Amino acid sequence: QVQLVESGGGVVQPRRSLRLSCAASGFTFSSYAIHWVRQAPGKGLEWVAVISYDGSNKYYAESVKGRFTISRDNSKNTLFLQMSSLRAEDTAVYYCARDGVGGGYGDCDYWGQGTLVTVSS
Amino acid sequence: QSVLTQPPSASGTPGQRVTISCSGSSSNIGSDYVYWYQQLPGMAPKLLIYSNNQRPSGVPDRFSGSKSGTSASLAISGLRSEDEADYYCAAWDDSLSDVVFGGGTRLTVL
Repeated sequence: QVQLVESGGGVVQPRRSLRLSCAASGFTFSSYAIHWVRQAPGKGLEWVAVISYDGSNKYYAESVKGRFTISRDNSKNTLFLQMSSLRAEDTAVYYCARDGVGGGYGDCDYWGQGTLVTVSS
Repeated sequence: QSVLTQPPSASGTPGQRVTISCSGSSSNIGSDYVYWYQQLPGMAPKLLIYSNNQRPSGVPDRFSGSKSGTSASLAISGLRSEDEADYYCAAWDDSLSDVVFGGGTRLTVL
């Protein structure tokens, strides 16, 4: 069955960096675009970034552009999110989610359980 | 402030039909597909509707989606207590080159 497992979250000081990983299994990872979506405590969903199936296209939310980098290693079925210059407002649960085949970006048909990132001094 | 606008709350009694609206613009809902997600308390979101009105396998036909112009709606018929959750709409925005989410609607089953 399709599984996405995030890791790498934790407590980090402002202006520091952190790298999240998302290990995929149960499907052909290299055939699907993958998203990062975050949710601040008690708040709604906020899309962060998406990477195409082959890594050739990447899109970012304005709030993270220039600070976050999405990448993937199709040989290891793993997605990454390199986060730098972290701010308190980046505190959230970060989910990776597979983009389905419904056409266009946005139909996230499978989600991981999320990993909590807390930015605090 | 979210690019897509949803009412913050909705409610209904068991068996009722409830609709949740999602308003956008020509650069998102008006030109791309709409997606709906359900998030139960403490859980990851779940895809309910894709491509405006398609249900993934396993989603009951009590859930239906529609789109007209720059607005979309999610309808839930035969409301059940287990439908109590947060619901989000989403779409790709051609101007921003972003996926945009609505602020979410908390559905309460009275």
